[in-house]
Amino acid sequence: NAGVTQTPKFRILKIGQSMTLQCTQDMNHNYMYWYRQDPGMGLKLIYYSVGAGITDKGEVPNGYNVSRSTTEDFPLRLELAAPSQTSVYFCASGAGKGGNSPLHFGNGTRLTVT
Amino acid sequence: DAKTTQPTSMDCAEGRAANLPCNHSTISGNEYVYWYRQIHSQGPQYIIHGLKNNETNEMASLIITEDRKSSTLILPHATLRDTAVYYCIVRVPIGFGNEKLTFGTGTRLTIIP
Repeated sequence: NAGVTQTPKFRILKIGQSMTLQCTQDMNHNYMYWYRQDPGMGLKLIYYSVGAGITDKGEVPNGYNVSRSTTEDFPLRLELAAPSQTSVYFCASGAGKGGNSPLHFGNGTRLTVT
Repeated sequence: DAKTTQPTSMDCAEGRAANLPCNHSTISGNEYVYWYRQIHSQGPQYIIHGLKNNETNEMASLIITEDRKSSTLILPHATLRDTAVYYCIVRVPIGFGNEKLTFGTGTRLTIIP
């Protein structure tokens, strides 16, 4: 049981390039989330999904897109990378709605845009 | 959003109990308090959560005041591996009947040998 797996661990992009951050979970969780963490700050919610085919925006969605075609996978797409997107990205999953359900996090993707 | 307030940093001697406070005075009656920690910029690690009763698991204990306006995370016998940033979080509602975790800047706990 690997939990939440994120790839790649590190990536350097040039301004204007695009990439997809991969996230997969093997816990059969319906709820999945993408967060970003800037240096010295807490995590901010980018997008989330409550099941296959259903996604919605979080606090900081601009510059990102997501899709959820399967329960296991929740990729995050950056179309035109900008220096402001330099950050560490965390994917998380949870078993269900309601406050009594912990989220489980991956170990992150460290992205630098130059 | 229910906001939380935590001290920026704390020290604790190895082997002693570490008590991390958190204020959440605007919490609503059905909102859970969660604690996570983050070590060396790894992914946040779930520690414990509770609604109104005190909770204990193999990692820690959570004490919630009767009015639910504050809580304390207790690591009973701190080790050097407990050095981390600890986040106290109140889950707040978002769309589709879902909740989100709103992370603040947390408490940087340093365990002193």
